[in-house]
Amino acid sequence: DAGITQSPRYKITETGRQVTLMCHQTWSHSYMFWYRQDLGHGLRLIYYSAAADITDKGEVPDGYVVSRSKTENFPLTLESATRSQTSVYFCASSESLLAGTGELFFGEGSRLTVL
Amino acid sequence: GQNIDQPTEMTATEGAIVQINCTYQTSGFNGLFWYQQHAGEAPTFLSYNVLDGLEEKGRFSSFLSRSKGYSYLLLKELQMKDSASYLCAASSASKIIFGSGTRLSIRP
Repeated sequence: DAGITQSPRYKITETGRQVTLMCHQTWSHSYMFWYRQDLGHGLRLIYYSAAADITDKGEVPDGYVVSRSKTENFPLTLESATRSQTSVYFCASSESLLAGTGELFFGEGSRLTVL
Repeated sequence: GQNIDQPTEMTATEGAIVQINCTYQTSGFNGLFWYQQHAGEAPTFLSYNVLDGLEEKGRFSSFLSRSKGYSYLLLKELQMKDSASYLCAASSASKIIFGSGTRLSIRP
């Protein structure tokens, strides 16, 4: 099915381990985003990408790494997971940020627990 | 930097009207999003205002004033299913920044 999918949906890991959250969209949207959501903080932008091979830091990038070698994929890696990275992670994509096509489509979220 | 403010919580009565305000400060502003999010679910799109003025979509309307850095979401004929968090987000340059969200509770 077309859309934006995240995997895994649920993940439990231990402090210090590397974790990669995958995000795949089938629309060939230019823009992709990673957010984390914690109680009391709303959605906070981790990294974003305007096109393949172009990525930029958001509000809370420390401890995270992204890549965008293909337009449809935007993986998020926690190089050495910490308990403070326990959160729900949302990937999102958008065709553009212009009127009429600026809708941001979200994946279902990945719930990560770091023990 | 960027700053987006909205009330943390609001309560309204079924069948009534509620207005959720959002103020923002950001450089390179493109437009203002409103999203609805039910507990445990992903956010769903409600509106995206780029130009000043009011846009109406059924029971939901959204207003933007670029000069004042102000937006509001108006919900009419409230239903119990409208109990959710409402997220305001500003688009600038190539990124989209969200406020902390407004948790709306509807009472019968």
